Amino acid sequence: DQQVKQNSPSLSVQEGRISILNCDYTNSMFDYFLWYKKYPAEGPTFLISISSIKDKNEDGRFTVFLNKSAKHLSLHIVPSQPGDSAVYFCAAPRGSQGNLIFGKGTKLSVKP
Amino acid sequence: EPEVTQTPSHQVTQMGQEVILRCVPISNHLYFYWYRQILGQKVEFLVSFYNNEISEKSEIFDDQFSVERPDGSNFTLKIRSTKLEDSAMYFCASRAWTEETQYFGPGTRLLVL
Repeated sequence: DQQVKQNSPSLSVQEGRISILNCDYTNSMFDYFLWYKKYPAEGPTFLISISSIKDKNEDGRFTVFLNKSAKHLSLHIVPSQPGDSAVYFCAAPRGSQGNLIFGKGTKLSVKP
Repeated sequence: EPEVTQTPSHQVTQMGQEVILRCVPISNHLYFYWYRQILGQKVEFLVSFYNNEISEKSEIFDDQFSVERPDGSNFTLKIRSTKLEDSAMYFCASRAWTEETQYFGPGTRLLVL
């Protein structure tokens, strides 16, 4: 069964501190992983991705870490800003067309 | 920056009615997708479309659903006879040939009464 799990439904962080969002997966054959951010009443917005052959990818304040042995990835946001408050989804592709499987999402609240 | 657009943003319909949700993918993209998110649940894959045909579909995508690319720009999802449980946000996404990233539209909120 191919699954992507986000076990924390919510996370609250102080502005300027680090936010760490976690994601676990069951299928070691995923080729890459993506993180999306979603504001209410909007579509998911692509944030950052990581290939399964890498263990880290960084883009500005956002860094994704991949631990293949633990089947775990995490998104670090440093420093966190109030505008980062949103729901964050991790996703992985399934099938030949890259159809995405999503986690349930983690709602991040960054308090000023 | 190019983006995926969707119309309408909201649709209210009576159970049993047909609805058509419209999407304009990013112009040079070749792969197109529909997903939905029922309130409080995960975003779920419905169907993928490539080279003018369905390439994959989920078990959700039954005979009541169909997709079409009627011209060079639009990509539509039709629900023939809506049910209460079809109430959800429907997202269109597209992807370029050489990229892994899918870009999503803003969604259509469908409410079936």
